[in-house]
Amino acid sequence: GEQVEQRPPHLSVREGDSAVITCTYTDPNSYYFFWYKQEPGASLQLLMKVFSSTEINEGQGFTVLLNKKDKRLSLNLTAAHPGDSAAYFCAVSYNNNAPRFGAGTKLSVKP
Amino acid sequence: DPKIIQKPKYLVAVTGSEKILICEQYLGHNAMYWYRQSAKKPLEFMFSYSYQKLMDNQTASSRFQPQSSKKNHLDLQITALKPDDSATYFCASSQERLGGREDTQYFGPGTRLLVL
Repeated sequence: GEQVEQRPPHLSVREGDSAVITCTYTDPNSYYFFWYKQEPGASLQLLMKVFSSTEINEGQGFTVLLNKKDKRLSLNLTAAHPGDSAAYFCAVSYNNNAPRFGAGTKLSVKP
Repeated sequence: DPKIIQKPKYLVAVTGSEKILICEQYLGHNAMYWYRQSAKKPLEFMFSYSYQKLMDNQTASSRFQPQSSKKNHLDLQITALKPDDSATYFCASSQERLGGREDTQYFGPGTRLLVL
Protein backbone atom coordinates (compact mmCIF):
# COMPACT_ATOMS: atom_id res chain seq x y z
CA GLY A 1 0.00 0.00 0.00
CA GLU A 2 0.85 3.65 -0.09
CA GLN A 3 3.71 4.80 2.13
CA VAL A 4 3.97 8.44 3.09
CA GLU A 5 7.10 9.83 4.68
CA GLN A 6 7.11 13.31 6.14
CA ARG A 7 10.10 15.42 7.14
CA PRO A 8 11.17 17.01 9.39
CA PRO A 9 9.38 15.76 12.51
CA HIS A 10 10.17 19.01 14.30
CA LEU A 11 10.87 22.45 12.88
CA SER A 12 11.66 25.67 14.70
CA VAL A 13 11.89 29.00 12.86
CA ARG A 14 11.88 32.71 13.68
CA GLU A 15 8.92 34.91 12.89
CA GLY A 16 9.17 36.10 9.29
CA ASP A 17 11.28 33.16 8.17
CA SER A 18 10.06 30.54 5.76
CA ALA A 19 9.29 27.01 6.84
CA VAL A 20 9.30 24.04 4.48
CA ILE A 21 7.75 20.66 5.20
CA THR A 22 8.12 17.82 2.72
CA CYS A 23 6.35 14.53 2.12
CA THR A 24 7.33 11.75 -0.23
CA TYR A 25 4.99 9.02 -1.33
CA THR A 26 5.37 5.72 -3.12
CA ASP A 27 2.29 5.05 -5.22
CA PRO A 28 2.61 6.75 -8.65
CA ASN A 29 -1.17 6.48 -9.03
CA SER A 30 -1.78 8.88 -6.15
CA TYR A 31 -3.81 11.82 -7.31
CA TYR A 32 -5.16 13.76 -4.35
CA PHE A 33 -2.93 15.40 -1.84
CA PHE A 34 -3.88 17.22 1.33
CA TRP A 35 -2.28 19.39 3.95
CA TYR A 36 -3.85 19.63 7.38
CA LYS A 37 -3.04 21.84 10.33
CA GLN A 38 -3.63 20.68 13.89
CA GLU A 39 -3.32 23.11 16.78
CA PRO A 40 -2.67 21.66 20.25
CA GLY A 41 -5.68 19.82 21.60
CA ALA A 42 -7.70 20.49 18.48
CA SER A 43 -8.88 18.55 15.46
CA LEU A 44 -7.43 18.64 11.96
CA GLN A 45 -8.14 21.65 9.82
CA LEU A 46 -7.83 21.32 6.05
CA LEU A 47 -5.36 23.83 4.61
CA MET A 48 -5.38 22.78 1.00
CA LYS A 49 -6.36 19.98 -1.30
CA VAL A 50 -4.15 19.54 -4.33
CA PHE A 51 -4.91 17.65 -7.49
CA SER A 52 -2.25 15.79 -9.40
CA SER A 53 -2.74 18.03 -12.41
CA THR A 54 -1.50 21.17 -10.64
CA GLU A 55 2.07 21.57 -9.55
CA ILE A 56 1.94 24.90 -7.77
CA ASN A 57 -0.91 25.84 -5.48
CA GLU A 58 -1.03 29.05 -3.48
CA GLY A 59 -2.95 29.64 -0.29
CA GLN A 60 -2.98 32.44 2.26
CA GLY A 61 0.60 32.73 3.40
CA PHE A 62 1.72 29.38 2.00
CA THR A 63 2.49 27.54 -1.19
CA VAL A 64 2.10 23.85 -1.92
CA LEU A 65 4.35 22.30 -4.52
CA LEU A 66 3.77 18.92 -6.10
CA ASN A 67 6.56 17.15 -7.96
CA LYS A 68 5.02 14.05 -9.47
CA LYS A 69 8.26 12.87 -11.03
CA ASP A 70 9.97 12.71 -7.64
CA LYS A 71 6.71 11.86 -5.83
CA ARG A 72 7.24 14.75 -3.48
CA LEU A 73 4.79 17.18 -1.92
CA SER A 74 5.89 20.23 0.01
CA LEU A 75 4.30 22.94 2.10
CA ASN A 76 6.14 26.26 2.20
CA LEU A 77 5.04 28.84 4.75
CA THR A 78 6.49 31.98 3.22
CA ALA A 79 6.66 34.31 6.24
CA ALA A 80 5.82 32.32 9.34
CA HIS A 81 4.21 33.95 12.36
CA PRO A 82 3.56 32.57 15.85
CA GLY A 83 -0.02 31.69 14.90
CA ASP A 84 1.39 29.15 12.46
CA SER A 85 2.78 27.12 15.35
CA ALA A 86 1.02 23.78 15.12
CA ALA A 87 1.40 20.25 13.81
CA TYR A 88 1.11 19.84 10.06
CA PHE A 89 0.15 16.65 8.30
CA CYS A 90 0.26 15.69 4.67
CA ALA A 91 -2.11 13.05 3.32
CA VAL A 92 -2.12 11.17 0.04
CA SER A 93 -5.09 9.51 -1.59
CA TYR A 94 -5.07 6.90 -4.31
CA ASN A 95 -7.81 4.87 -5.96
CA ASN A 96 -10.86 5.00 -3.68
CA ASN A 97 -8.96 4.45 -0.49
CA ALA A 98 -8.98 6.71 2.52
CA PRO A 99 -5.99 9.05 2.55
CA ARG A 100 -2.83 7.87 4.24
CA PHE A 101 -1.18 10.44 6.47
CA GLY A 102 2.41 11.38 7.07
CA ALA A 103 3.78 11.25 10.60
CA GLY A 104 3.42 14.99 11.07
CA THR A 105 5.69 17.98 11.63
CA LYS A 106 5.54 20.05 14.79
CA LEU A 107 6.28 23.62 13.77
CA SER A 108 7.30 26.21 16.31
CA VAL A 109 7.49 29.86 15.25
CA LYS A 110 9.31 32.06 17.73
CA PRO A 111 8.82 35.84 17.89
CA ASP B 1 -22.94 24.58 15.05
CA PRO B 2 -20.58 21.60 14.94
CA LYS B 3 -21.10 19.49 11.87
CA ILE B 4 -19.34 16.40 13.16
CA ILE B 5 -20.10 15.45 16.74
CA GLN B 6 -18.00 13.03 18.72
CA LYS B 7 -19.00 11.87 22.16
CA PRO B 8 -17.64 11.80 24.74
CA LYS B 9 -14.85 14.34 24.49
CA TYR B 10 -12.85 12.58 27.21
CA LEU B 11 -13.10 8.98 28.34
CA VAL B 12 -11.27 7.09 31.09
CA ALA B 13 -11.60 3.32 31.16
CA VAL B 14 -10.11 0.43 33.06
CA THR B 15 -8.16 -2.36 31.39
CA GLY B 16 -10.44 -5.12 30.16
CA SER B 17 -13.57 -3.00 29.92
CA GLU B 18 -15.59 -2.10 26.85
CA LYS B 19 -16.44 1.36 25.53
CA ILE B 20 -18.31 2.85 22.59
CA LEU B 21 -17.19 6.03 20.90
CA ILE B 22 -19.96 7.96 19.20
CA CYS B 23 -19.72 9.84 15.91
CA GLU B 24 -22.51 11.70 14.13
CA GLN B 25 -22.12 13.93 11.10
CA TYR B 26 -24.61 16.49 9.85
CA LEU B 27 -22.93 17.27 6.56
CA GLY B 28 -25.05 14.91 4.51
CA HIS B 29 -21.99 12.83 3.73
CA ASN B 30 -22.11 9.22 2.61
CA ALA B 31 -18.65 8.09 3.68
CA MET B 32 -17.28 8.01 7.21
CA TYR B 33 -13.95 7.06 8.72
CA TRP B 34 -12.14 6.39 11.97
CA TYR B 35 -8.55 7.43 12.68
CA ARG B 36 -6.44 7.04 15.79
CA GLN B 37 -3.75 9.42 16.97
CA SER B 38 -1.23 8.63 19.68
CA ALA B 39 2.34 9.47 20.55
CA LYS B 40 3.48 6.19 18.94
CA LYS B 41 1.57 6.53 15.65
CA PRO B 42 0.65 10.12 14.91
CA LEU B 43 -2.39 9.55 12.68
CA GLU B 44 -3.39 6.01 11.84
CA PHE B 45 -6.24 5.08 9.52
CA MET B 46 -8.57 2.45 11.00
CA PHE B 47 -11.81 2.05 9.02
CA SER B 48 -13.78 3.52 6.19
CA TYR B 49 -17.49 3.12 5.51
CA SER B 50 -19.52 4.09 2.49
CA TYR B 51 -23.33 4.01 2.58
CA GLN B 52 -23.09 2.12 5.86
CA LYS B 53 -20.92 -0.62 4.39
CA LEU B 54 -17.38 -1.39 5.44
CA MET B 55 -14.98 -0.49 2.64
CA ASP B 56 -11.53 -0.61 4.18
CA ASN B 57 -10.24 -2.05 7.44
CA GLN B 58 -6.64 -1.42 8.45
CA THR B 59 -7.08 -2.45 12.07
CA ALA B 60 -5.62 -5.84 12.85
CA SER B 61 -7.48 -6.38 16.09
CA SER B 62 -11.08 -7.58 16.12
CA ARG B 63 -11.48 -5.75 19.44
CA PHE B 64 -12.30 -2.69 17.34
CA GLN B 65 -15.73 -2.90 15.73
CA PRO B 66 -17.37 -0.02 13.88
CA GLN B 67 -21.15 0.16 14.01
CA SER B 68 -23.35 2.14 11.67
CA SER B 69 -26.97 2.29 12.79
CA LYS B 70 -27.80 5.23 10.51
CA LYS B 71 -26.16 6.70 7.45
CA ASN B 72 -24.80 9.65 9.42
CA HIS B 73 -23.60 7.58 12.37
CA LEU B 74 -20.43 5.57 12.72
CA ASP B 75 -19.71 4.46 16.24
CA LEU B 76 -16.62 2.56 17.34
CA GLN B 77 -16.93 -0.23 19.88
CA ILE B 78 -13.71 -1.24 21.62
CA THR B 79 -13.68 -4.36 23.76
CA ALA B 80 -11.13 -5.76 26.19
CA LEU B 81 -9.45 -2.37 26.45
CA LYS B 82 -5.68 -2.20 26.91
CA PRO B 83 -3.48 0.69 28.03
CA ASP B 84 -1.99 0.73 24.50
CA ASP B 85 -5.43 1.70 23.19
CA SER B 86 -5.00 5.09 24.87
CA ALA B 87 -5.17 7.64 22.08
CA THR B 88 -7.32 10.31 20.53
CA TYR B 89 -9.84 8.80 18.15
CA PHE B 90 -10.97 10.98 15.27
CA CYS B 91 -14.03 10.45 13.17
CA ALA B 92 -14.08 11.95 9.68
CA SER B 93 -16.52 12.09 6.80
CA SER B 94 -16.59 12.92 3.10
CA GLN B 95 -19.36 13.40 0.57
CA GLU B 96 -18.54 10.17 -1.20
CA ARG B 97 -15.89 7.56 -0.79
CA LEU B 98 -12.81 9.52 -1.78
CA GLY B 99 -12.15 9.44 -5.47
CA GLY B 100 -14.20 12.31 -6.76
CA ARG B 101 -12.65 15.64 -7.58
CA GLU B 102 -14.67 17.50 -4.99
CA ASP B 103 -14.34 15.02 -2.16
CA THR B 104 -12.57 16.10 0.98
CA GLN B 105 -12.44 14.63 4.45
CA TYR B 106 -13.65 16.69 7.37
CA PHE B 107 -12.60 15.71 10.86
CA GLY B 108 -14.51 15.71 14.11
CA PRO B 109 -13.08 17.13 17.36
CA GLY B 110 -11.93 13.71 18.60
CA THR B 111 -12.45 11.57 21.69
CA ARG B 112 -9.49 11.29 24.05
CA LEU B 113 -9.40 7.81 25.53
CA LEU B 114 -7.23 6.92 28.49
CA VAL B 115 -7.05 3.28 29.56
CA LEU B 116 -5.71 2.67 33.05
